[in-house]
Amino acid sequence: DIQMTQSPSTLSASVGDRVTITCRASQSISSWLAWYQQKLGKAPKLLIYKASSLESGVPSRFSGSGSGTEFTLTISSLQPDDFATYYCQQYNSYPITFGQGTRLEIK
Amino acid sequence: EVQLVESGGGLVKPGGSLRLSCAASGFTFSSYSMNWVRQAPGKGLEWVSSISSSSNSIYYADSVKGRFTISRDNAKNSVYLQMNSLRAEDTAVYYCARETLGSPPYYFDYWGQGTLVTVSS
Repeated sequence: DIQMTQSPSTLSASVGDRVTITCRASQSISSWLAWYQQKLGKAPKLLIYKASSLESGVPSRFSGSGSGTEFTLTISSLQPDDFATYYCQQYNSYPITFGQGTRLEIK
Repeated sequence: EVQLVESGGGLVKPGGSLRLSCAASGFTFSSYSMNWVRQAPGKGLEWVSSISSSSNSIYYADSVKGRFTISRDNAKNSVYLQMNSLRAEDTAVYYCARETLGSPPYYFDYWGQGTLVTVSS
């Protein structure tokens, strides 16, 4: 199975900050990586697919990069609505696996 | 508008069974692979199972293999998860998720609101 490891587990930041979350795969997954945002009590929401493609309707302050085993999600200027938990997901092969999540909290 | 609505969750004793349903609307259901993803209380996301559009390909996480069965009825625009021999560690919110069109596995572009399964005596 491919293990996905996110860092940090928790990130404290302020409105307007630029933040980056890292996701590492235990083996190469090419660009078969997605990022999701989840707010408390809600279903996950797709942000980024194929490592760097922005899902329709997602603000352009979100961006993704990387390939192989190392990936990043960047939020260029944090907005109040962005404080949530973020998950990466590999879909290179079954079983599909998620990172453990990164909780983005207000400093 | 794409909608996925799960139902069937509830409280069940260890060793018991439960059948979850997910009713889909707003898209051509028979063209898409569908998945179940769960989230234990306060924990992260765990993929559970996937079924292809025509039910030809089915996959399970090791943690549920042999106990859970995924199925679908394209005439009813529904996907199901039959859960047997339930354990306390199966307690979670279960989400139904649509897999976007492409060569599977792929990412999930729509999710339902989830249904809570609690396994406890």
